[in-house]
Amino acid sequence: DGGITQSPKYLFRKEGQNVTLSCEQNLNHDAMYWYRQDPGQGLRLIYYSQIVNDFQKGDIAEGYSVSREKKESFPLTVTSAQKNPTAFYLCASCRADRVTEAFFGQGTRLTVV
Amino acid sequence: AQSVTQLGSHVSVSEGALVLLRCNYSSSVPPYLFWYVQYPNQGLQLLLKYTSAATLVKGINGFEAEFKKSETSFHLTKPSAHMSDAAEYFCAVSPSGNTGKLIFGQGTTLQVKP
Repeated sequence: DGGITQSPKYLFRKEGQNVTLSCEQNLNHDAMYWYRQDPGQGLRLIYYSQIVNDFQKGDIAEGYSVSREKKESFPLTVTSAQKNPTAFYLCASCRADRVTEAFFGQGTRLTVV
Repeated sequence: AQSVTQLGSHVSVSEGALVLLRCNYSSSVPPYLFWYVQYPNQGLQLLLKYTSAATLVKGINGFEAEFKKSETSFHLTKPSAHMSDAAEYFCAVSPSGNTGKLIFGQGTTLQVKP
């Protein structure tokens, strides 16, 4: 079945460490997105990519980095520069050629310990 | 700039009662609007979407929403709540429709009482 796979589901990180969250999709979507979810704040866009080897900052990109070397993959690295990284991270993908909806993965919950 | 406001962070209804979750948007262009549902520690699942074809949109699980341009609203309703409807609901707007670059409301948690 087609879908978006995020791994791991739960992740613990020590302060000062970088950590990479995986997002893979087999929907043949061109565009991929990373959102951060905090209680009571909805979802906020971190980074997005509309084609391979290209990506743009979203509203809260500071302390994060991404790459888009393959159409299927859009990993997110949470760096030590991110002041408050504990959150639920959601990856999404979308077709770019017609009106459609974004499909979301099951999320990764990152906790800094 | 576009924005979305969901009125009420928590809504509680009895099983079998009407569900009404409110969403207002601000947009300078005709928007594309979405309602998503999220169960605990899960991703978001699309309930329905408005893409300018019809103002009354029917979605999954018996939900529907009506686009009212004059009121800039896109409220979500369901005639009879089920226990399984307990979840968090997000309203979102897209500037063009063919993008996952969405602007989300703050979310509304729906509680369904037996």
